[in-house]
Amino acid sequence: QSVLTQPPSASGTPGQRVTISCSGSSSNIGGHTVNWYQQFPGTAPKLLIYNNNQRPSGVPDRFSGSKSGTSASLAISGLQSEDESDYYCAAWDGSLSGRVFGGGTKLTVL
Amino acid sequence: QVVLVESGGGVVQPGGSLRLSCAASGFTFSNYGLHWVRQAPGKGLEWLAFVRHDADNKYYGDSVKGRFTISRDNSKSTLYLQMDSLRVEDTAVYYCAKDLGHSGNGPDFWGQGTLVTVSS
Repeated sequence: QSVLTQPPSASGTPGQRVTISCSGSSSNIGGHTVNWYQQFPGTAPKLLIYNNNQRPSGVPDRFSGSKSGTSASLAISGLQSEDESDYYCAAWDGSLSGRVFGGGTKLTVL
Repeated sequence: QVVLVESGGGVVQPGGSLRLSCAASGFTFSNYGLHWVRQAPGKGLEWLAFVRHDADNKYYGDSVKGRFTISRDNSKSTLYLQMDSLRVEDTAVYYCAKDLGHSGNGPDFWGQGTLVTVSS
């Protein structure tokens, strides 16, 4: 059971906009910034969003992040087949004095 | 460019020990915090440990606290994870990752991972 809760799966058709949610508490998302990672099977995760809504250099602006209270969301607009991947949210947890990940969301492009 | 290369994985019996290393290049090693994160087969990411840039502060996940020790050698640009009292459930791919900053804003760049298998 992960400290941060994500839906196990999400799906969309090419060109569509999809969102992936990440729910936490006041000790993690509510008090600290959220990062999002993309991971393809057999490869290392890649940072997609940091500080709730910042994109590292090279990440397309189709990807955006937001945070409100104890929840965060990753939005992908103009969905493409190559976006089919696993997505994880993460944040620092002050009560645990450690970082926590969501359980991951498998995105399928139909 | 940032490069992180893990080594030291392999097969170990339950109760045994293993030390992982992570050789870093492409950035000023002593300016950044570093993480270990693992992923069991078919499972999600699990954060294990973090060490600040100056090694003065270390943090651990509950599942490895007291069994694993994170350390770093800034003179060698190398991160370590000493793993003792290994359990079958420690079987996973272990990743080292560079932090966004020096005080734990989260991993940005990751190594390719090294597989640890705990089995009798």
